[in-house]
Amino acid sequence: NAGVIQTPRHKVTGKGQEATLWCEPISGHSAVFWYRQTIVQGLEFLTYFRNQAPIDDSGMPKERFSAQMPNQSHSTLKIQSTQPQDSAVYLCASSLVGGSYEQYFGPGTRLTVL
Amino acid sequence: AQSVTQPDARVTVSEGASLQLRCKYSYSGTPYLFWYVQYPRQGLQLLLKYYSGDPVVQGVNGFEAEFSKSNSSFHLRKASVHWSDSAVYFCVLSANSGGSNYKLTFGKGTLLTVTP
Repeated sequence: NAGVIQTPRHKVTGKGQEATLWCEPISGHSAVFWYRQTIVQGLEFLTYFRNQAPIDDSGMPKERFSAQMPNQSHSTLKIQSTQPQDSAVYLCASSLVGGSYEQYFGPGTRLTVL
Repeated sequence: AQSVTQPDARVTVSEGASLQLRCKYSYSGTPYLFWYVQYPRQGLQLLLKYYSGDPVVQGVNGFEAEFSKSNSSFHLRKASVHWSDSAVYFCVLSANSGGSNYKLTFGKGTLLTVTP
């Protein structure tokens, strides 16, 4: 079991550019979560998919951020017109079913916006 | 609203000494509780979890935690730490019912440094 895979591990973008982050959940896990981690805010929930359907995006900034899960083997988080304040580590996690099963985290993508 | 407080941002212990990392939670019912560890430049790894039953739960690498409903606490313990235990430890809560029981609430984390 390879665990949750996230690519790229590091991404540097210029202000105003687009960034797309990829996540491959653990095979058989039907729930996928995205989180953002910063020194100031800590770990924040962004969005949640269950069986590829978006269930909760209450943590997503209303503008510029979007997430998709086109198939059961990957999810993407896209940030348009990146800003320096978007710099963070973006973590993807997956779990069985959803609900209160433990979540397994990927290594994260460190996004740096210059 | 639910919350998790880890009162110690940093803890330093000597190798071989015992360890306790504190965690207090706020939640109206009995939550599901987890401890995760994050090593430098890595994702979070699950150490242990509490759902119900025996309040003392065992985890990986000799870690254990004790749930106390009366104290709203879930402290992490280890009898003898190793230098490789140096990492950031997160106490995490989720609701045990309701439509939002997938949402994890994280503490701010405790940076553990084990000195030789």
